[in-house]
Amino acid sequence: QVELQQSGPGLVKPSQTLSLTCAISGDSVSTNTVAWNWIRQSPARGLEWLGRTWFRSKWYNEYAESVKSRITIKPDTSKNQFSLQLKSVTPEDTAVYYCARDNDQQPVSYYVDVWGKGTTVTVSS
Amino acid sequence: QSALTQPPSVSGSPGQSITISCTGTSSDVDGYNYVSWYQQDPGKAPKLMIYDVTKRPSGVSNRFSGSKSGNTASLTISGLQAEDEAEYYCSSYSSISTWVFGGGTKVTVL
Repeated sequence: QVELQQSGPGLVKPSQTLSLTCAISGDSVSTNTVAWNWIRQSPARGLEWLGRTWFRSKWYNEYAESVKSRITIKPDTSKNQFSLQLKSVTPEDTAVYYCARDNDQQPVSYYVDVWGKGTTVTVSS
Repeated sequence: QSALTQPPSVSGSPGQSITISCTGTSSDVDGYNYVSWYQQDPGKAPKLMIYDVTKRPSGVSNRFSGSKSGNTASLTISGLQAEDEAEYYCSSYSSISTWVFGGGTKVTVL
C-alpha cells in the first residue's frame, strides 16, 4: 500500500519561499511507470495542478504555466521523497497543498491515484 | 475558474440514482480516455472513485459508474446512500496542463 507523508511549515511570509516535502512509502520515487505531483486546492482556484517529476532513464520535470517561473520540484532518491519549492509567495498562494502519485500505463491507463493528507499553507505576515 | 465544468450541486433521495456531468474540451475530456472522479469529504484528501472513464479501483462500490460522450463525462451513483454525501470532482489528462479538474459538485442526500 502506497502512502505519502507530507511535511513543512503551515505559515509563510509574503515574498518568501514555500517549501514542502513528501515522503513515499510502499513505492520508489524512481519507479518508471509513475510521476510525483504537487496539487493545491483553494476556494478561489479550486484544485490546481502545479507540477511533477518523474524518472524514465533520467529525471524529468513539468510545471503549470501559472507558476512556472517560481516553482521547483525535486526528487531525493536517498530519502525516497520529493519536494516542492514555490518562490516569492503572495496571499494568493494560500491553499491546501497535496502531493500525489500519477500512474502512467499509457495508452491503456493514466490517472492520479494516491494523495497525501494535505498541508494547509497560509501566506501572511 | 476551473478548466472542467461541473454543476455546483446535485441531490437525491436514498435509493435513487444521480448523475454528475463534467464538460471539457478537445484538449482534455474529448481528446483522451483519461477521465477520473474523486470523492472528497471535508478536511480530507480526494479519494479516487473512477479512473480511465469507466474503471473502478478495488474497494470502491459498484454503485459508482462512469461514462463519456464527446466532451462530457458523467459519474452516476446508483442506490444513493447517506454515506455518499460529499464533494465530487472530475479530472482529466490535458494536453495543455497535464491534469485539469472540475470545480466540484456537492452531493446531498435528502
